[in-house]
Amino acid sequence: ETGVTQTPRHLVMGMTNKKSLKCEQHLGHNAMYWYKQSAKKPLELMFVYNFKEQTENNSVPSRFSPECPNSSHLFLHLHTLQPEDSALYLCASSLGVTGTVNTGELFFGEGSRLTVL
Amino acid sequence: AQKVTQAQTEISVVEKEDVTLDCVYETRDTTYYLFWYKQPPSGELVFLIRRNSFDEQNEISGRYSWNFQKSTSSFNFTITASQVVDSAVYFCALSETRWGYGGSQGNLIFGKGTKLSVKP
Repeated sequence: ETGVTQTPRHLVMGMTNKKSLKCEQHLGHNAMYWYKQSAKKPLELMFVYNFKEQTENNSVPSRFSPECPNSSHLFLHLHTLQPEDSALYLCASSLGVTGTVNTGELFFGEGSRLTVL
Repeated sequence: AQKVTQAQTEISVVEKEDVTLDCVYETRDTTYYLFWYKQPPSGELVFLIRRNSFDEQNEISGRYSWNFQKSTSSFNFTITASQVVDSAVYFCALSETRWGYGGSQGNLIFGKGTKLSVKP
């Protein structure tokens, strides 16, 4: 139990569907992240939120739309995805405390395995 | 540009063997952090260790040990007397120190990972 919960664990969707991935952290952290893990590729950072504000968008296509309503919840809204978007999507959180070096120690969820048909 | 290279894609050992996972990194920063994470079949990445660039002392934690060599930009990970439960994908990562609104951000750059299989 890492304190970061992701739902659903598995998702199959067609290219015209709209779905959302949800992440919740119970660690009192202020920074949350979405990473994409594809086969044979390094983990790719997608988005970073620090104190509910998006501070990083790593050139992610607009068919992925993140939402961070508060420091404990992070969503990834999906629409008109492509088969190459099939991957494991990992959510993570870290301290992100003002004035303190964030050493980048991330706590990860178990991921949402997405398959786009 | 920052980069992490894990040249070993897959390693297979027999239980009780020692195994070393290699990690080489590139960065222009003078202050940075290095990490190892373990990803078991369940999917989540589990934090193992963090090292800052000013601390080259090697570290031992039970059967795990880490060798940080700044001169060769390497941060290798050794498992002594491996066990079947050690089977997982292991990721080395590099974090720069950046400052922004609300504090600093440590974006992690991951290597491609090394899949370790420990057979009984």
